[in-house]
Amino acid sequence: NAGVMQNPRHLVRRRGQEARLRCSPMKGHSHVYWYRQLPEEGLKFMVYLQKENIIDESGMPKERFSAEFPKEGPSILRIQQVVRGDSAAYFCASSPGAQRNTEAFFGQGTRLTVV
Amino acid sequence: DAKTTQPPSMDCAEGRAANLPCNHSTISGNEYVYWYRQIHSQGPQYIIHGLKNNETNEMASLIITEDRKSSTLILPHATLRDTAVYYCIVRALGVRGANSKLTFGKGITLSVRP
Repeated sequence: NAGVMQNPRHLVRRRGQEARLRCSPMKGHSHVYWYRQLPEEGLKFMVYLQKENIIDESGMPKERFSAEFPKEGPSILRIQQVVRGDSAAYFCASSPGAQRNTEAFFGQGTRLTVV
Repeated sequence: DAKTTQPPSMDCAEGRAANLPCNHSTISGNEYVYWYRQIHSQGPQYIIHGLKNNETNEMASLIITEDRKSSTLILPHATLRDTAVYYCIVRALGVRGANSKLTFGKGITLSVRP
């Protein structure tokens, strides 16, 4: 049973370009969470999605960032017009549902570097 | 904001038990206690979770006080590979799971020495 898969593992973008980060949840999981970790800082929640729905986007920056989790395919975190401050590790996690006694499993992250 | 308080760091000798404390004095009756760890810059790894009873799995034991205001994660025989940042998290769920995100604090850095 494959774990949460994130790709690419490393992504380099020039300022102003777009970054697309992909997250394939574990088999049978319909809930996805995205987190960002700036260098030397903690994990910050960004967005929580269920298939075709955004449940909680309280941690998403108001501009340039968007996320989706379509009925088919991986969840996508999209960053438009990247800036150097977007350089960070982006992690996603998945869980089977929102039951309180359910674990969420994390992927190995995508390291975004903006040059 | 994280609802837990952990010391910033601790160390223990390899082969000995590591007892990692966590305070969560404002925990609600429907909130679980979760523990994750992050080794170097890898993705966080789930360790264990519980509500009010003590829990044990192949990785660790979780001891929750009777009033649920604090807990202790126990790694029974720490190895060098257990060196990591350990996060204690309380997790609540609302309608449609709207509150089911995991809110990470600063965690506790465990250093296992040879």
